[in-house]
Amino acid sequence: DAGITQSPRHKVTETGTPVTLRCHQTENHRYMYWYRQDPGHGLRLIHYSYGVKDTDKGEVSDGYSVSRSKTEDFLLTLESATSSQTSVYFCAISESTGVLYGYTFGSGTRLTVV
Amino acid sequence: QKEVEQDPGPLSVPEGAIVSLNCTYSNSAFQYFMWYRQYSRKGPELLMYTYSSGNKEDGRFTAQVDKSSKYISLFIRDSQPSDSATYLCAIDNGQNFVFGPGTRLSVLP
Repeated sequence: DAGITQSPRHKVTETGTPVTLRCHQTENHRYMYWYRQDPGHGLRLIHYSYGVKDTDKGEVSDGYSVSRSKTEDFLLTLESATSSQTSVYFCAISESTGVLYGYTFGSGTRLTVV
Repeated sequence: QKEVEQDPGPLSVPEGAIVSLNCTYSNSAFQYFMWYRQYSRKGPELLMYTYSSGNKEDGRFTAQVDKSSKYISLFIRDSQPSDSATYLCAIDNGQNFVFGPGTRLSVLP
């Protein structure tokens, strides 16, 4: 997807290990979001950022932390991975809030915790 | 109660059919409604959005909001195999977007 890159694309990790997912944007957008997508639940917001060092919790933030030290990078860390965190993780960016701006999503990171 | 609910399907239709996808939402104060399309192993992409009540048309796609029923719909005319994807409705709750679980659509040639 133009302007937004997620890494890695796939990862398998063991229960109890820390994992960091990276979202990188070249659009200079202020807002960045981390969602997880699971069957039957759809996209659920984990954390979001409204500027460098400005972050807030979403609907399903337990077990996750985030950091944004630069406009272009938003990191999601699973502090101690559990099997319930097996999911597809999507990053999204937005120039501002509201539907007029919309979200642009990355291609996702497929994480498996064994 | 979830803020937005959606029948997950799956839904299979023959090419050329009219498709109707639907969601319900919980809060009558919501004003902005969106439809995203997600192809397999890709991120969602915005298809169209509507404000308040009424219809919005874009080519073969029509989005409709019925605020009295708290019901939003997406109609696809002359459906094509390339329309096969998961369609997610979303609402703007004033803080961020809340997505439905998506309806998986297959359009069969």
